[in-house]
Amino acid sequence: NAGVTQTPKFQVLKTGQSMTLQCAQDMNHEYMSWYRQDPGMGLRLIHYSVGAGITDQGEVPNGYNVSRSTTEDFPLRLLSAAPSQTSVYFCASSPREGPSPYEQYFGPGTRLTVT
Amino acid sequence: DAKTTQPTSMDCAEGRAANLPCNHSTISGNEYVYWYRQIHSQGPQYIIHGLKNNETNEMASLIITEDRKSSTLILPHATLRDTAVYYCIATSGAGSYQLTFGKGTKLSVIP
Repeated sequence: NAGVTQTPKFQVLKTGQSMTLQCAQDMNHEYMSWYRQDPGMGLRLIHYSVGAGITDQGEVPNGYNVSRSTTEDFPLRLLSAAPSQTSVYFCASSPREGPSPYEQYFGPGTRLTVT
Repeated sequence: DAKTTQPTSMDCAEGRAANLPCNHSTISGNEYVYWYRQIHSQGPQYIIHGLKNNETNEMASLIITEDRKSSTLILPHATLRDTAVYYCIATSGAGSYQLTFGKGTKLSVIP
């Protein structure tokens, strides 16, 4: 299994541009989520999904859209990039059922810089 | 989710046990204690979790006090590769499976 994969690894955007961060998992996990991590800070939840067709907002959803058309993929869209969105973005997944629902598997991250 | 409090940083000599404390004095009965770590620039990695009883796996041991107000993560023989930020999280999730990460403890393993 590849686990959780994220593309791209690095991205530089200009203010106002839009882009999509890709996240995929091959573990058939129902739960997927996106976090952002700013320098010296812990992770903050942006959006999450408990299954295909179901998404919800986390702590810091403004400026981001998500959709979940398949179990495997959970893309994060930046609608109009702003310098405040410069951050490292992590995608995570976990099985929805089972003894350890919070044993989440994280991807390697996408490092985004908005100039 | 209950608030957790961890020291900002700790040092540990290589080969010695690393004991990382976490205070969660407002934890409720249905909240688990989870530990994750984040090695520089990588995604967080799950370590261990527990509810009431002490737990051990191949990575670490988790000791939870009887009143559940605090816990200690123990890395029995720390190596340089254990240098990371360690996060203690208390959560019941209530169906959303959200993890609330604080700033964690920066553990430095020293040769």
